[in-house]
Amino acid sequence: KQEVTQIPAALSVPEGENLVLNCSFTDSAIYNLQWFRQDPGKGLTSLLLIQSSQREQTSGRLNASLDKSSGRSTLYIAASQPGDSATYLCAVGGGSYIPTFGRGTSLIVHP
Amino acid sequence: GAGVSQSPSNKVTEKGKDVELRCDPISGHTALYWYRQSLGQGLEFLIYFQGNSAPDKSGLPSDRFSAERTGGSVSTLTIQRTQQEDSAVYLCASSWGGTGGKGSPLHFGNGTRLTVT
Repeated sequence: KQEVTQIPAALSVPEGENLVLNCSFTDSAIYNLQWFRQDPGKGLTSLLLIQSSQREQTSGRLNASLDKSSGRSTLYIAASQPGDSATYLCAVGGGSYIPTFGRGTSLIVHP
Repeated sequence: GAGVSQSPSNKVTEKGKDVELRCDPISGHTALYWYRQSLGQGLEFLIYFQGNSAPDKSGLPSDRFSAERTGGSVSTLTIQRTQQEDSAVYLCASSWGGTGGKGSPLHFGNGTRLTVT
């Protein structure tokens, strides 16, 4: 059974810092890995999707990398802003069609 | 609409009543998922549809929970004889689940916040 772990569980940083959020998974036989953000009281918004054949994806200040062999993905946020404050979740898609989610990293960026 | 739509956005019900939660997926998305998120918890998988069939119902927590999908589109999650522990946000997601669709992204609705009093 796939297990997904996100570290750290919570993070509080001053504005402007570069951040790294970690996601690890136990079964490397994955199809894709997706990063989401969730604002309080809202659903999940997709940020980046990395296919299993890819090493990284970039969108604006966000960069996500994938290392299947070591079972890890990182989400890099450059020059963090207060508007980046949210919970960030990763979801691993495997052969069962059922994506497995981590518990998330709660990020606060203070001015 | 362009995104996944869920209704109602909020539902308050008395213990013992039945509730129905609705999900309208993105047009053309054959895969539909229901998840539950309790306060301070991660996402708990409930059920997955491919078209109108549900190959995986393993996440439904009890026989009080059921779901159906009609016309390969709208899905309804029904909770009978609600209990206080059913209070949570119920999230629906859809994706293109055709051949090769295992690599397609999930798109979520804003959820239904269910409160059982």
